[in-house]
Amino acid sequence: DQQVKQNSPSLSVQEGRISILNCDYTNSMFDYFLWYKKYPAEGPTFLISISSIKDKNEDGRFTVFLNKSAKHLSLHIVPSQPGDSAVYFCAASDGGNDMRFGAGTRLTVKP
Amino acid sequence: NAGVTQTPKFRVLKTGQSMTLLCAQDMNHEYMYWYRQDPGMGLRLIHYSVGEGTTAKGEVPDGYNVSRLKKQNFLLGLESAAPSQTSVYFCASSYGARTGSFTEAFFGQGTRLTVV
Repeated sequence: DQQVKQNSPSLSVQEGRISILNCDYTNSMFDYFLWYKKYPAEGPTFLISISSIKDKNEDGRFTVFLNKSAKHLSLHIVPSQPGDSAVYFCAASDGGNDMRFGAGTRLTVKP
Repeated sequence: NAGVTQTPKFRVLKTGQSMTLLCAQDMNHEYMYWYRQDPGMGLRLIHYSVGEGTTAKGEVPDGYNVSRLKKQNFLLGLESAAPSQTSVYFCASSYGARTGSFTEAFFGQGTRLTVV
């Protein structure tokens, strides 16, 4: 069963606008969440993370929001740039030895 | 500083053949992982290691074996390849899951394996 779900396979936004990528999870034991970015023919690279004791974490143009009661997190990119076009993976961990990943959302930022 | 390096980058196997994928990291990380990525499935954990000489099963371990004889290397073996193992394989490493806080993993570039 997929414990981490990204229900939007793709998202297209205009340069300069906000991109919002969503992620839902089912395992209430998850206490750490991460976003990874992946370009074609490359491995995923870490973008930003958030611990369950917080509801927001910001790093430059990237902000992750966590709603524990809804088991939902989102990644906001403001302003979006063409170089942000990539596949974004949401991941979650219960503090154990592995991370569970979502299926990914392909973001396209149009100039 | 190479980070995480995977060898080979591409491979085509015939059903029943065996092969080994090599992962090397130069960051002195304790934890190493093997994932596979399939369309619509995200990345799924095959096996992982929390230190030299240790290995453990992940989410989808069947058909694979691993070894961690040296801290910097993590090998993934396919004893008898099947078409269902056609995938992109990623190796990753991290300082560890419990070092005060969870630490992110660093990934290699991936190995595209096709089993015909």
